[in-house]
Amino acid sequence: ETGVTQSPTHLIKTRGQQVTLRCSSQSGHNTVSWYQQALGQGPQFIFQYYREEENGRGNFPPRFSGLQFPNYSSELNVNALELDDSALYLCASSQGRKGTDTEAFFGQGTRLTVV
Amino acid sequence: AQSVTQPDIHITVSEGASLELRCNYSYGATPYLFWYVQSPGQGLQLLLKYFSGDTLVQGIKGFEAEFKRSQSSFNLRKPSVHWSDAAEYFCAVVVTGGGNKLTFGTGTQLKVEL
Repeated sequence: ETGVTQSPTHLIKTRGQQVTLRCSSQSGHNTVSWYQQALGQGPQFIFQYYREEENGRGNFPPRFSGLQFPNYSSELNVNALELDDSALYLCASSQGRKGTDTEAFFGQGTRLTVV
Repeated sequence: AQSVTQPDIHITVSEGASLELRCNYSYGATPYLFWYVQSPGQGLQLLLKYFSGDTLVQGIKGFEAEFKRSQSSFNLRKPSVHWSDAAEYFCAVVVTGGGNKLTFGTGTQLKVEL
């Protein structure tokens, strides 16, 4: 069984650019959640996708958007990058019916630096 | 909205000593509770979780946690710390029926002195 994999591992972007981060969910998992972890902070929930539909969103502006594909992999897109977007972006996958609570498995994260 | 408080930002213990990391949550009902560990530059690994039942939960790597409803707490413990336990520890909650949308505390950085 493969775990959650994220790409790339590190990324440097310039303020105002756009970035796409990718996540392959664990085999058999239908739900993907994205989190932003700023330096010295706990992860903050960005949004979740369940079977290709957004299923909840945290307190993040619309320039943070996402997709989930039929194979349940996912992308996080951030437009008009700001310096404060520099963070570790974590993807977590889980399996279950919509709204159920089960264990979430995390990837290693993508370290985004905005300069 | 639910919230999680980890009052200790840094903790230093000697190898072989016991450890207790504190976690308090704020939520109207009993949430699902988790402890995760994060090594530098890495993702999060689940140590243990509480959904219901026995309030003393056993996890991996010799960790345990006790849910105390009256104190809204879910403290993590380990009887004898190993140098490899040095990492950052996060307590998290999920609103029941919230579909795995985790709310995390700010973390406790554990340093282990040899």
